[in-house]
Amino acid sequence: ETGVTQSPTHLIKTRGQQVTLRCSSQSGHNTVSWYQQALGQGPQFIFQYYREEENGRGNFPPRFSGLQFPNYSSELNVNALELDDSALYLCASSPDIQETQYFGPGTRLLVL
Amino acid sequence: DAKTTQPNSMESNEEEPVHLPCNHSTISGTDYIHWYRQLPSQGPEYVIHGLTSNVNNRMASLAIAEDRKSSTLILHRATLRDAAVYYCILRDPSGSARQLTFGSGTQLTVLP
Repeated sequence: ETGVTQSPTHLIKTRGQQVTLRCSSQSGHNTVSWYQQALGQGPQFIFQYYREEENGRGNFPPRFSGLQFPNYSSELNVNALELDDSALYLCASSPDIQETQYFGPGTRLLVL
Repeated sequence: DAKTTQPNSMESNEEEPVHLPCNHSTISGTDYIHWYRQLPSQGPEYVIHGLTSNVNNRMASLAIAEDRKSSTLILHRATLRDAAVYYCILRDPSGSARQLTFGSGTQLTVLP
C-alpha cells in the first residue's frame, strides 16, 4: 500500500510569487489536511478537505487556498508569498474526517 | 481543544525503557489521547491513541491515569531510531474540530 506522497520535496521562491504544492493521499482515504510547520515548532493546521469540499480552516489568510480532486489527491496554493511563509508544508490523509491522520514527508518551501 | 503539557526534552539510553509524560488536566470526557512522533526530516507519524484504558501496539504502550488528567507513552526498549519529537494531542471525535492541534512536543534523545 502506497503511503502519502508530496511534491516537490524542496522549493525556492521569491517574495510575491505564487506556489502550488501537491499531495497524493493514501489509497481509500477521502480526507486530506494541510499543515504548516515553521522551524522548531509543531505543525499548524491550515485547512482540511473532505470529498472535494473544504471542511474546516485554521487561522490562515485567504491567500492560502486548496483543492481536492475526485481521486482525493490535493493541492495547496499560496499567493503573494511572504518571507514568513518559509516552512515545511505537510499534508495528511485519513480514511474519514475524524480518523487517524497519516502524514507525507512534506515540502520544504523557502521564500527569499 | 484542551491543552497538553510535555517536557521540552528527555534523554534515554539505548535499549532501556522510556516513559514520556503528558499532562492534560482540562481533558473532557470525550477527548481521546493521541501520540504522534516526528523523526528528523520526516512528517509526523501516528504512534498510539486511547480513551480510558491502557493501550498497547507494536510501537509503544499508552498508560492513562485513572482521572485521565495525565498519560505516559512508554517505549519498552529505546533504539537510536526512536530519537524524535513526540507530540501528545487531545482529540474529540464527536467535536467540530477537524485538526490535530500540535504543541511543542518532547524532543527525545537516545544515547548509544
